[in-house]
Amino acid sequence: QAVLTQPPSVSGAPGQRVTISCTGSSSNIGAGYDVHWYQQLPGTAPKLLIYDTNYRPSGVPDRFSGSKSGTSASLAITGLQPEDEAYYYCQSYDSPLSGSLFGGGTKLNVL
Amino acid sequence: QAHLVESGGGVIQPGGSLRLSCVASGFTFSKYGMHWVRQAPGKGLEWVAFIQYDGTRNYYADSVKGRFTISRDVSKDTLYLEMNSLRIEDTAVYYCAKPGAMTWYLQARGAVDCWGQGTLVTVSS
Repeated sequence: QAVLTQPPSVSGAPGQRVTISCTGSSSNIGAGYDVHWYQQLPGTAPKLLIYDTNYRPSGVPDRFSGSKSGTSASLAITGLQPEDEAYYYCQSYDSPLSGSLFGGGTKLNVL
Repeated sequence: QAHLVESGGGVIQPGGSLRLSCVASGFTFSKYGMHWVRQAPGKGLEWVAFIQYDGTRNYYADSVKGRFTISRDVSKDTLYLEMNSLRIEDTAVYYCAKPGAMTWYLQARGAVDCWGQGTLVTVSS
């Protein structure tokens, strides 16, 4: 069964840079499908952070950036701020599934 | 500004049925495919189903295939999720979600730019 794998948690101090990885396979990220990233605060719906691998919707700070290589993608956050503490999810399309996949989510702790 | 409002959640016994609704506003509903995405308590996001903009094609996660049916009524700007043979593991907040892509054949694989507030479905005896 197709999956997108994310680390359960990452941590960083205010002002630091962190990256969150998202590892897929040849049927999704490796097949060339775009990766999208969402931020979810407790008790709220997800919010789009990065679309089409490396584009930011209006209003998302340029501290957030995305990249992709092979079967993996990454979300980078620079200049960490306390309000960045949240869950982050990657999403891509899986061809055999003919549907979307979400990663398991990563909790970002701002120390 | 797109806006989605889900309803229909509640407590249901295993084996029961429930229909969720999602009313869309602020965009041309008939031009967009739509997703249902769920999140079990304390767990991550799980894609459930997608319906093409014209309703001619539907896609489902393996976990719900044969039990759930996604549909839409463009006259009411409303998306539905009919859930049958419910299981305890179907307990989750169910979100309807709108793709950002305007091109129809990119919508199934594209990012979601608008989410509803979610409706909680609890399957319990």
